Amino acid sequence: EIVLTQSPGTLSLSPGERATLSCRASQSVSASYLAWYQQKPGQAPRLLIYGASSRATGIPDRFSGSGSGTDFTLTISRLEPEDFAVYYCQQYGSSPGTFGQGTKVEIK
Amino acid sequence: EVHLVQSGAEVKKPGESLKISCKGSGYSFTSYWIGWVRQMPGKGLECMAIIHPGDSDPRHSPSLQGQVTISADKSISTAYLQWSSLKASDTAMYYCARQRGSYGDDAFDIWGQGTMVTVSS
Repeated sequence: EIVLTQSPGTLSLSPGERATLSCRASQSVSASYLAWYQQKPGQAPRLLIYGASSRATGIPDRFSGSGSGTDFTLTISRLEPEDFAVYYCQQYGSSPGTFGQGTKVEIK
Repeated sequence: EVHLVQSGAEVKKPGESLKISCKGSGYSFTSYWIGWVRQMPGKGLECMAIIHPGDSDPRHSPSLQGQVTISADKSISTAYLQWSSLKASDTAMYYCARQRGSYGDDAFDIWGQGTMVTVSS
């Protein structure tokens, strides 16, 4: 089973700042089958990025994904108030898939 | 519009059985894999299993296999997650989610609203 480790655990930033979240896999993720999700309290997760770098439908272009192999990054170019949430990466190349433990982006 | 609607919250005792459901609408239910994702209180997401509703081909997480049964009834566009004997550690929010593609290796693009399962004596 592929283990995903996200860092940092918590990111304290101000609106307008840039957020950089990391996701590292215990082994190579096939075909860049890596996704990022956003979850707000009391809500279901929402797909942001799939295929490591493709934005899902309706996702603003301030969200971008990059990486391959074992190292992946989610970048939020300028944080909006609604972006403060928990973010999870997921690999789905090894079925049924595994999630990272999450990174909380909080208001500084 | 594509929707996944889950059954309501459950409160059960240890040792009891339970089956929760997830009904799809607005798309071809048999063309996309459906998964169940567990979120224990205050914790992260865990993918438990996925199933292809067209042929009921299941794939389980190795660490959770044997603890739950995933199934689907394509005639009513509904997927299920079932326990034969609940434990207190099964207390969690359970989400169903649809994969983007048709091959069992894709991200989850549509999510249900979640079913809270509480197991307590």
